[in-house]
Amino acid sequence: ETGVTQSPTHLIKTRGQQVTLRCSSQSGHNTVSWYQQALGQGPQFIFQYYREEENGRGNFPPRFSGLQFPNYSSELNVNALELDDSALYLCASSPGLAAYEQYFGPGTRLTVT
Amino acid sequence: QKEVEQNSGPLSVPEGAIASLNCTYSDRGSQSFFWYRQYSGKSPELIMFIYSNGDKEDGRFTAQLNKASQYVSLLIRDSQPSDSATYLCAVRAAGNKLTFGGGTRVLVKP
Repeated sequence: ETGVTQSPTHLIKTRGQQVTLRCSSQSGHNTVSWYQQALGQGPQFIFQYYREEENGRGNFPPRFSGLQFPNYSSELNVNALELDDSALYLCASSPGLAAYEQYFGPGTRLTVT
Repeated sequence: QKEVEQNSGPLSVPEGAIASLNCTYSDRGSQSFFWYRQYSGKSPELIMFIYSNGDKEDGRFTAQLNKASQYVSLLIRDSQPSDSATYLCAVRAAGNKLTFGGGTRVLVKP
């Protein structure tokens, strides 16, 4: 157990809808990164938040957005869902930008129909 | 060319043998290198990281890094059936973004 929690565990949405995924970072960790993992592939970096500010973004469209709160928990929002958004969404927390370790939560499995 | 490349496998290894996993990367600015293990339906868990050329050992695992060849490997000694999983290589350049390979599936047969 890494101490990183995510909710919900599973989610089914319809194309065009919006979704919000949540992540609670490990105690003492101020940095949260979000990744998308399609079936059979490695995780792909979506974006990272450090002390409530976005600190880097991967090759994802603007309909993927996020927030980090003062307690360092985080949300990932996806608008106008597409079928290809079906994936495992992972958040990872770390104790700072310079830290080597990133610890993953259990993930949220999103299915878009 | 993918930024981080791994053989997808499966790599079939007899119990008790050494499993050898390889990973190559394209960004010469990469600074640190990570191996994660992912069981089916679960999230990745960090096995170890390395940032200096040479070997780094942790229990039954040894990571090897050769920055000149842009190559990092993972050896698993005395492989056990519980080691059967997908092993993800990840690379970090500037910042804290991890770039992952597609993973190598390892099957340890009793």
